[in-house]
Amino acid sequence: GQQVMQIPQYQHVQEGEDFTTYCNSSTTLSNIQWYKQRPGGHPVFLIQLVKSGEVKKQKRLTFQFGEAKKNSSLHITATQTTDVGTYFCAGINQAGTALIFGKGTTLSVSS
Amino acid sequence: DTEVTQTPKHLVMGMTNKKSLKCEQHMGHRAMYWYKQKAKKPPELMFVYSYEKLSINESVPSRFSPECPNSSLLNLHLHALQPEDSALYLCASSQGTGLNTGELFFGEGSRLTVL
Repeated sequence: GQQVMQIPQYQHVQEGEDFTTYCNSSTTLSNIQWYKQRPGGHPVFLIQLVKSGEVKKQKRLTFQFGEAKKNSSLHITATQTTDVGTYFCAGINQAGTALIFGKGTTLSVSS
Repeated sequence: DTEVTQTPKHLVMGMTNKKSLKCEQHMGHRAMYWYKQKAKKPPELMFVYSYEKLSINESVPSRFSPECPNSSLLNLHLHALQPEDSALYLCASSQGTGLNTGELFFGEGSRLTVL
């Protein structure tokens, strides 16, 4: 069945360092979404990428969608303690009926 | 109003109890979802309602029974649960469905403990 994989599972950085999480799908995705879940919180939508090769920026966050629409990445420049949490990518399943989440990357930041 | 409201926030129940989780949204969204999330795991899809009709049941045991009384409300009825069912239950809604799902708006979740 369709799988959405994310690496790394965990990442610890010093405040000010950069961070990247990668998402790979076994099948072509119609679009990909990214969510952030703070510790003890609920997933919050960050962005949706639709076009092949698309790049979008939100302040220190840069999102990319691969040319083949099978992979994506989220890059955070100069991390801050407020960036702590788990970042999930999510893609529509093969049946085109619902959003399936990757396993997530948990980011911790020390000051 | 861009909120999805879930009640209760916390629930402790015995294996013989019957309880319900409730979810409400007033954004006019056409799809509503139940996800289950265990600690350090991603949200796992349970049910999808589209236009108040159950469109997806991800092979969820019958001890979980969803209900969509109207386009704003979604319930999850719980009966004869097992301790391994303890988890955070997340409700979500979206304007679109299927390939046009778009952004999911999540509630804060109901944290369930089964004793």
